[in-house]
Amino acid sequence: AIWMTQSPSLLSASTGDRVTISCRMSQGISSYLAWYQQKPGKAPELLIYAASTLQSGVPSRFSGSGSGTDFTLTISCLQSEDFATYYCQQYYSFPRTFGQGTKVEIK
Amino acid sequence: EVQLVESGGGLVQPGGSLRLSCAASGFTFSSYEMNWVRQAPGKGLEWVSYISSSGSTIYYADSVKGRFTISRDNAKNSLYLQMNSLRAEDTAVYYCAREGYDSSGYFDYWGQGTLVTVSS
Repeated sequence: AIWMTQSPSLLSASTGDRVTISCRMSQGISSYLAWYQQKPGKAPELLIYAASTLQSGVPSRFSGSGSGTDFTLTISCLQSEDFATYYCQQYYSFPRTFGQGTKVEIK
Repeated sequence: EVQLVESGGGLVQPGGSLRLSCAASGFTFSSYEMNWVRQAPGKGLEWVSYISSSGSTIYYADSVKGRFTISRDNAKNSLYLQMNSLRAEDTAVYYCAREGYDSSGYFDYWGQGTLVTVSS
């Protein structure tokens, strides 16, 4: 199985901040990485796939980068609706695996 | 509009069985790979199982292999998860999730989830 290390687990930030979340793989996965946002009591929502492709309808303040083993999700200007938990997911191989999650909270 | 609606969750005793269903609408169900993903209370996401569009290819997480069975009925636009020999650690919200177009591997639509509680 491919192991994923997502960091930080908790991120305190203010509206308007630029925030970055990291996801590191135990082995190379090319660009087979997705990012999801989850709000309390709701299902996850796809933000980014293929490491850097924005899902339709997702605001452009979200961006993804990286390939191989190191990936980053960036929110350029944090909005109130962005306070949530974020997960990375690899789909290079089975079993599919998720990062541990990063909770973005209000500072 | 794509919709995935899970049902069948509930309270079950350890060692018991439960069958989850996921009703799909708003897309050509038979053309898409499907998955089950779960989330224990207060925890992260855990992939559970995958089934190809035709049902011919299936994968399971090691944690459920031999106990859970995924299946689908393309004529009924439905996905299923038969869960046997349930354990306390299977307690979670179970989501069905559609893979993106062309066997992509990421999950572009999710259901609202159904809660399974394993407890005596």
